[in-house]
Amino acid sequence: GENVEQHPSTLSVQEGDSAVIKCTYSDSASNYFPWYKQELGKGPQLIIDIRSNVGEKKDQRIAVTLNKTAKHFSLHITETQPEDSAVYFCAASKGGDYKLSFGAGTTVTVRA
Amino acid sequence: DGGITQSPKYLFRKEGQNVTLSCEQNLNHDAMYWYRQDPGQGLRLIYYSQIVNDFQKGDIAEGYSVSREKKESFPLTVTSAQKNPTAFYLCAVVNRGSDGYTFGSGTRLTVV
Repeated sequence: GENVEQHPSTLSVQEGDSAVIKCTYSDSASNYFPWYKQELGKGPQLIIDIRSNVGEKKDQRIAVTLNKTAKHFSLHITETQPEDSAVYFCAASKGGDYKLSFGAGTTVTVRA
Repeated sequence: DGGITQSPKYLFRKEGQNVTLSCEQNLNHDAMYWYRQDPGQGLRLIYYSQIVNDFQKGDIAEGYSVSREKKESFPLTVTSAQKNPTAFYLCAVVNRGSDGYTFGSGTRLTVV
């Protein structure tokens, strides 16, 4: 099955700096790549997603890039704020049955 | 969260007991999923259902059972055969139009 690896596992950044989280996937048939943000004690929330026919997508301070050849995708958060502190998960899916395979998560801490 | 309700929020189980976690949605989505979350391991798929009266095993189905008698409900039973049930359990629905998941707020199960 699909294997998604996520790095780093923890990330500490100064407020206002950028944060980058990288994921790789194993199944070249995967075509949907969402990112989720999880705050303590809550369920994950979708923050941005990208499909395999697009190389980059941006939503305000958040952007995702996809390199299908290398089978990796990344989340970029610019101008980080304290409320960006959370655990972020990447995931991949081939569509069809909509099963998502998740990375292990990255704990992001934004220092004031 | 967004029309998907998990209960209870916290659950304690004694050794040898079966317990049932509730997941109810009013979003009129067909597909529902159960994931287990352990620290540092991301989310792992237990069971999923794409339509009423039908469900499939995920990657870690052993020791769990589900039913899908109604579109709105997808309860998960953690049986005594599950040797390490302490975890955070998340239910999700899939919006077929977008492939994105909406997660519930989760149930934290602890064996005492």
